[in-house]
Amino acid sequence: QVQLQESGPGLEKPSETLSLTCTVSGGSISGYYWSWIRQPPGKGLEWIGYVYFRGGTSYNPSLKSRVTISVDTSKNQFSLKLTSVTAADTAIYYCARTHGGGSDYWGPGTLVTVSS
Amino acid sequence: QSVLTQPPSASGTPGQRVTISCSGGSSNIGSNYVYWYQQLPGTAPKLLIYRNNQRPSGVPDRFSGSKSGTSASLAISGLRSEDEADYYCAVWDDSLSGLYVFGIGTKVTVL
Repeated sequence: QVQLQESGPGLEKPSETLSLTCTVSGGSISGYYWSWIRQPPGKGLEWIGYVYFRGGTSYNPSLKSRVTISVDTSKNQFSLKLTSVTAADTAIYYCARTHGGGSDYWGPGTLVTVSS
Repeated sequence: QSVLTQPPSASGTPGQRVTISCSGGSSNIGSNYVYWYQQLPGTAPKLLIYRNNQRPSGVPDRFSGSKSGTSASLAISGLRSEDEADYYCAVWDDSLSGLYVFGIGTKVTVL
């Protein structure tokens, strides 16, 4: 059974860079797309972007200038970097496997708060 | 706000059938598959329907999806208390260099 787990700081200061890692277990990272999705507290879901296991990426145009998603197949991990964060970036961040257009396996999510 | 329009809420009594609509446009629902996700309180979303009307393994056949033109719908038949959750439609949008968009979500309440 594929499992995903997000990790990273739960608190970031405004203007700093948010960095999260998703570790995939129970299956290989190869052959799939891997996504980051976020959800502000009490609000809906927002797709951030994805990375293909070979390294190709696609990002939400509204975040594209601040986002980098990368993959490390040797560690079965992929990562998210979001620069110049503000309070509007406070959210639960989910990592997910994207297959056939939909995300079929999700991590439990990690809350990142942006505050000074 | 989203390019996909969903009702914010829906409700029904146990055993009833509830339908949730998702309306989009030609660049999204009109030309791509629709996906539905269920998010139980305090948990990560779960893929409920993929490619308009396919159920992943383990999803009860009480859940069904359909699509017509630029609209899609999710039906829950035989409503159960454990179906109380937020439901999101999602689709790839061919405009803006590709974007995966979610609807605003519909809160289903079991009365």
